[in-house]
Amino acid sequence: EAEVAQSPRYKITEKSQAVAFWCDPISGHATLYWYRQILGQGPELLVQFQDESVVDDSQLPKDRFSAERLKGVDSTLKIQPAELGDSAMYLCASSPSGQGWDNEQFFGPGTRLTVL
Amino acid sequence: AQSVTQLDSQVPVFEEAPVELRCNYSSSVSVYLFWYVQYPNQGLQLLLKYLSGSTLVKGINGFEAEFNKSQTSFHLRKPSVHISDTAEYFCAVMDSSYKLIFGSGTRLLVRP
Repeated sequence: EAEVAQSPRYKITEKSQAVAFWCDPISGHATLYWYRQILGQGPELLVQFQDESVVDDSQLPKDRFSAERLKGVDSTLKIQPAELGDSAMYLCASSPSGQGWDNEQFFGPGTRLTVL
Repeated sequence: AQSVTQLDSQVPVFEEAPVELRCNYSSSVSVYLFWYVQYPNQGLQLLLKYLSGSTLVKGINGFEAEFNKSQTSFHLRKPSVHISDTAEYFCAVMDSSYKLIFGSGTRLLVRP
């Protein structure tokens, strides 16, 4: 069964360092999402890609976060510099398209980031 | 703006007992509702969804939910829970741009 892959699964870093997370969506899925899930809260959308284009990054802290999906397949989310408040689970999801009420999102296992 | 409220942060229940996890939504337009489950250190898995039609929706693992427009609720139920149902459960609403808005989650703790 096709799955969304993410790496690393766990990352520990010190504040002010740079970190990067990788996501490989289900083959053929045009839409890719990055979510941040703070402990005790629900996921919050950071950025949404349609193929290689960003369609929504309204909640992405652009002073320190960046995301790219250069060839419209896999994606990288970067934080530079990391801050203590960035400690969270970072989830990647993909869907066949970004349109329609029946457009199911499939989630990866996430990367748990701890900033010391 | 649309929003979702999950009133219970944690629900403890004994194995084989019934359970209800509560979800209320706020929306002024057509409503599309979802329940996801998250097992420890894993991503989210779709349990069930309401898009239209019958207000009683059946999902995987024996779960069901009922859409109640007058009470703006979409509570999740299971008649008999198992130890393996211990997980975090998230209710979500899809907004007009097809973006998912999640509640804060309810931790279901099933005890033997």
